[in-house]
Amino acid sequence: LAKTTQPISMDSYEGQEVNITCSHNNIATNDYITWYQQFPSQGPRFIIQGYKTKVTNEVASLFIPADRKSSTLSLPRVSLSDTAVYYCLVAGTGGGNKLTFGTGTQLKVEL
Amino acid sequence: GAVVSQHPSWVICKSGTSVKIECRSLDFQATTMFWYRQFPKQSLMLMATSNEGSKATYEQGVEKDKFLINHASLTLSTLTVTSAHPEDSSFYICSASTTGFGGDNSPLHFGNGTRLTVT
Repeated sequence: LAKTTQPISMDSYEGQEVNITCSHNNIATNDYITWYQQFPSQGPRFIIQGYKTKVTNEVASLFIPADRKSSTLSLPRVSLSDTAVYYCLVAGTGGGNKLTFGTGTQLKVEL
Repeated sequence: GAVVSQHPSWVICKSGTSVKIECRSLDFQATTMFWYRQFPKQSLMLMATSNEGSKATYEQGVEKDKFLINHASLTLSTLTVTSAHPEDSSFYICSASTTGFGGDNSPLHFGNGTRLTVT
């Protein structure tokens, strides 16, 4: 299982861009990188997924360098409602794979 | 998008009783469902993996006789906490996947969790 390492917490202000980096040094060839957002007392919500280079959707961008040993979730112009825990997960298509959550990053957005 | 419904959203029960939590995939067939538990201020911990029509695979340290999992159809999995005790109080979350792996362009979809309080 590819272990992930993220900062425990980050602080930001409304309107700023936030970049959360995740390290996954032992990522396997068939592993994808997925980011989830979790609010208190709710299940995680899918944000974005990628395999390499850059992926962008309506809420975030995901940057993955060529060696794929890390990834960066970029949230443009955050608002108070983006205060949540963000999890980076790595998983592939091998038999028996399962998603293991790391500590996640608690993002706090202030005015 | 894919929706996973979990019921109930919260439940309070007395010590020694059993509680059943349902997890349904509303608009897709879930080959595999996962059950997690989460204590306050902590990350999600995988409890077990269930595949439709077969026995669940439990993570190390999770008592299979205490946490009964049934995945009888492609849209429903249930977790029964038997003889619940206060230490079983937690936030239980299910997730479902069409491919069974959570990667490969098929991200896991999570239910909204069940807050269990055992008194």
